Amino acid sequence: DGGITQSPKYLFRKEGQNVTLSCEQNLNHDAMYWYRQDPGQGLRLIYYSQIVNDFQKGDIAEGYSVSREKKESFPLTVTSAQKNPTAFYLCASARQDSNEQFFGPGTRLTVL
Amino acid sequence: KNEVEQSPQNLTAQEGEFITINCSYSVGISALHWLQQHPGGGIVSLFMLSSGKKKHGRLIATINIQEKHSSLHITASHPRDSAVYICAVRGGGATNKLIFGTGTLLAVQP
Repeated sequence: DGGITQSPKYLFRKEGQNVTLSCEQNLNHDAMYWYRQDPGQGLRLIYYSQIVNDFQKGDIAEGYSVSREKKESFPLTVTSAQKNPTAFYLCASARQDSNEQFFGPGTRLTVL
Repeated sequence: KNEVEQSPQNLTAQEGEFITINCSYSVGISALHWLQQHPGGGIVSLFMLSSGKKKHGRLIATINIQEKHSSLHITASHPRDSAVYICAVRGGGATNKLIFGTGTLLAVQP
């Protein structure tokens, strides 16, 4: 089946630890995105990548890092510099010539 | 003021009712999306509009570009329609970046 997978669904970490969230897609999409969702707020863009080995900061990139070594994969690292890391994180992908983004199931990160 | 505003924020309906969720935006757009988020968090794209009206099953989405307004209608609502409905707009440029509303939480009671 084609789609986007994110793992794990729930993730718990201690304060001060870096943590990496996985996002994989087999849709052959060039563009991939990471969003953060907090209660009462719309999704906010963290980072995006339009092509392998290239990525751009979104609106709230501070405290996060990404890599795009393969077309299928766009992992997000939440570093200890992120002040409020507890949130729901969504990954999405899209074809370059399309307006439509496809979303993964999300990872809920809780920092204790 | 957010660039994308949705109303209402919360909506409770009885099964069978006709439901309308509204979205207003303040930026120029190339497309507007309606998304559905079920408990558990996964998001599904319902519609992508740049003009006029689209229909899929019991769902209808309309957009008025001049008024910068879109509506999502659900006819003959059912408890399985209970979800968060999110409006998102795509501005100009080549990055495919979306600006999201805060969502409307819909609960349809049997």
